[in-house]
Amino acid sequence: EAGVAQSPRYKIIEKRQSVAFWCNPISGHATLYWYQQILGQGPKLLIQFQNNGVVDDSQLPKDRFSAERLKGVDSTLKIQPAKLEDSAVYLCASSGQGYYEQYFGPGTRLTVT
Amino acid sequence: KQEVTQIPAALSVPEGENLVLNCSFTDSAIYNLQWFRQDPGKGLTSLLLIQSSQREQTSGRLNASLDKSSGRSTLYIAASQPGDSATYLCAVRHTGGFKTIFGAGTRLFVKA
Repeated sequence: EAGVAQSPRYKIIEKRQSVAFWCNPISGHATLYWYQQILGQGPKLLIQFQNNGVVDDSQLPKDRFSAERLKGVDSTLKIQPAKLEDSAVYLCASSGQGYYEQYFGPGTRLTVT
Repeated sequence: KQEVTQIPAALSVPEGENLVLNCSFTDSAIYNLQWFRQDPGKGLTSLLLIQSSQREQTSGRLNASLDKSSGRSTLYIAASQPGDSATYLCAVRHTGGFKTIFGAGTRLFVKA
């Protein structure tokens, strides 16, 4: 079974530029999550999708971050414009029905200069 | 508001030692608790998932327990090996909305 795929793995941008991350969850998983992990901290949930719908986006900075999940499968997370404090690893995870065990992708390391 | 704390923040032990990692949470209304391992520069690997109705789960040398009433979970690692060196994270999934909250992790170093 293929795992959660993310791209790109690394990205360096200047502040005020925009950036987008892509995630492909495990096949058949209805729930998809985006997390932000700052160095030395645990991941923080940004947004959670159930199929196409948003379940929780209470910690998503909506003035600069946006996310969508196309046809209940792939998802993109966008930052526009980026700030220095957005430097972090962005992790995507997915889970199936029932126990909601989460499986994570390798992450995208973003550096904003 | 749910808060998740992991103690200690870092731990160094000699190879072969049995050890316990702690995770505490403030709100007992949880759906499940999941333990992960994270290697430097990598994503998270799921180790064990405990449902709210369960007391413990085991996988190989790992055993995780859950005590909802006291707001605590422990991850027991038997006969530690250098390959166990990593950061261990616990994550609590809340019953209301199923929001997941992570602890900051325990960095484990097992010396050969």
